[in-house]
Amino acid sequence: GAGVSQSPSNKVTEKGKDVELRCDPISGHTALYWYRQSLGQGLEFLIYFQGNSAPDKSGLPSDRFSAERTGGSVSTLTIQRTQQEDSAVYLCASSLKGVHEQFFGPGTRLTVL
Amino acid sequence: AQSVTQLDSQVPVFEEAPVELRCNYSSSVSVYLFWYVQYPNQGLQLLLKYLSGSTLVESINGFEAEFNKSQTSFHLRKPSVHISDTAEYFCAVSMNTGNQFYFGTGTSLTVIP
Repeated sequence: GAGVSQSPSNKVTEKGKDVELRCDPISGHTALYWYRQSLGQGLEFLIYFQGNSAPDKSGLPSDRFSAERTGGSVSTLTIQRTQQEDSAVYLCASSLKGVHEQFFGPGTRLTVL
Repeated sequence: AQSVTQLDSQVPVFEEAPVELRCNYSSSVSVYLFWYVQYPNQGLQLLLKYLSGSTLVESINGFEAEFNKSQTSFHLRKPSVHISDTAEYFCAVSMNTGNQFYFGTGTSLTVIP
């Protein structure tokens, strides 16, 4: 079946602009995660959605970052007023509730000039 | 606080030689443990996991990892590496009481012909 998809695969933007990154999880997966992978760094947890529960936003680095998940499926990560330090690969993953295996998308490479 | 430490950022090894990639974690509660692999220009995929039961877990391509509770470690080993094992390897921890995954900074394994 189809895996986790993310769009766009690459995004180049100018400092100060807003960007939206999209994630389509595997159908039926109730849990959805966003991570950030910076050069030479591990995966940095950003936000977690589980079904209709309130999301765990504890990893969002600033109030410029927000995410939503509509209808329990597709998720959008929004970065407002982008800064150069936001440049990274943004990864989305999904999993079934109670199953401790995440399936990752290919990521969106964000470059802020 | 929970954390995952991968002390070796880069590990070069000759083909057919053994390799060990180290992973240590800190947690005050019971954990689930994972190794993910990221091949060049590909997304992350699960290599193996420990949830419960036998502390020695194996992957289909010859890797194994052993959960050592007293040393809070989950080192990844392979007795004889292949060129195709060249990749970035990430250790991850999930608490059985929560939703978050904590990833290490990754170890870049390079297999030399």
